[in-house]
Amino acid sequence: DGGITQSPKYLFRKEGQNVTLSCEQNLNHDAMYWYRQDPGQGLRLIYYSQIVNDFQKGDIAEGYSVSREKKESFPLTVTSAQKNPTAFYLCASSIGGQGLNIQYFGAGTRLSVL
Amino acid sequence: KNQVEQSPQSLIILEGKNCTLQCNYTVSPFSNLRWYKQDTGRGPVSLTIMTFSENTKSNRRYTATLDADTKQSSLHITASQLSDSASYICVVSLGGGNKLTFGTGTQLKVEL
Repeated sequence: DGGITQSPKYLFRKEGQNVTLSCEQNLNHDAMYWYRQDPGQGLRLIYYSQIVNDFQKGDIAEGYSVSREKKESFPLTVTSAQKNPTAFYLCASSIGGQGLNIQYFGAGTRLSVL
Repeated sequence: KNQVEQSPQSLIILEGKNCTLQCNYTVSPFSNLRWYKQDTGRGPVSLTIMTFSENTKSNRRYTATLDADTKQSSLHITASQLSDSASYICVVSLGGGNKLTFGTGTQLKVEL
């Protein structure tokens, strides 16, 4: 998985609960990303960060929040405001911006609602 | 609207046979095109990345082609193996920025 570790592999959320997905990389990459993958759809960008202490919303940021306090870490919180959180979540990183550089993905976290 | 369409949606072939997967895109302006392999329940892994000026790029048994005029790409897999069973995703990068558009993938199954 290219030095990117996502945990947990499976996660269950109760109604009204916030949950946090972990993503750690040891590739010394500046940029990190969170995607959501649903059956029959292409990956959709939730948030991305090009540098520590800075991040931008992607196409479907509503109901999610992130932080980038360390270069190696980019956790994603799925808040209770996200009404349809069941999906496969993928974290990725790249040396620079995603437009020019290959992204390396983690193994993913599958989130389900109880 | 920037889109990436892949065909076929799914494909079953016998081990040792060749196959070709198609990708058509309407992304403009174009920067580069990538092919990723995604095993079930895993993250995608990069196979190739091609810029506007590249027509063909190979990676072991995988050969990708790009026709930027017709906005089409193909991924040819030679002498398929059981381990080639996966989803193959075409991704197009929008020129001038950081925007990637992902296709929905072709699900390939290689059988004995």
